[in-house]
Amino acid sequence: AQSVTQPDIHITVSEGASLELRCNYSYGATPYLFWYVQSPGQGLQLLLKYFSGDTLVQGIKGFEAEFKRSQSSFNLRKPSVHWSDAAEYFCAVGALYNQGGKLIFGQGTELSVKP
Amino acid sequence: DGGITQSPKYLFRKEGQNVTLSCEQNLNHDAMYWYRQDPGQGLRLIYYSQIVNDFQKGDIAEGYSVSREKKESFPLTVTSAQKNPTAFYLCASRGEGLYGYTFGSGTRLTVV
Repeated sequence: AQSVTQPDIHITVSEGASLELRCNYSYGATPYLFWYVQSPGQGLQLLLKYFSGDTLVQGIKGFEAEFKRSQSSFNLRKPSVHWSDAAEYFCAVGALYNQGGKLIFGQGTELSVKP
Repeated sequence: DGGITQSPKYLFRKEGQNVTLSCEQNLNHDAMYWYRQDPGQGLRLIYYSQIVNDFQKGDIAEGYSVSREKKESFPLTVTSAQKNPTAFYLCASRGEGLYGYTFGSGTRLTVV
């Protein structure tokens, strides 16, 4: 079955520390991969996406993610976290041939940032 | 600026009532989606439409209905048959491929 797993429900990091959010997926073929961020009561903002090519993807707000096919992973990283990064982060996968391009989401990882 | 507008932001409904959530986009996207978000469960697909006058059930369509009479609009009706409608509802649209996947700001529905 197609699924996305974000193993960490909640992560707390200190401001200025590095961050890695994990994402593993199960899919029939290499899907399109996304990371979104959501502030409380708001919609989803796209951080970055991977479709093909270079497996290290740069996104907005200093985030990057690396696609590792052998591990079916797409982990999100940031070298130095800012207090404004506190939010919920969702990993998602999708394909055009699957239900009109629907996205399958992980359960989300809530990030807290300590001063 | 182009985008997706969802209204209202907050909606309260009495048990047994139907309620309609609005979703309008000016991105000229063909495909539109409705997702439901519950705490700790990510987002789940309710309905999607790839073209005007056509729509398909998603993974959790029971108790919901939609229409797609115009390219710009994809309203969602939460019927009294939906047993647990309290949730955050997100509308999305996309253009060609999955490149332009865009989400609205959501509607929080509470049954009182």
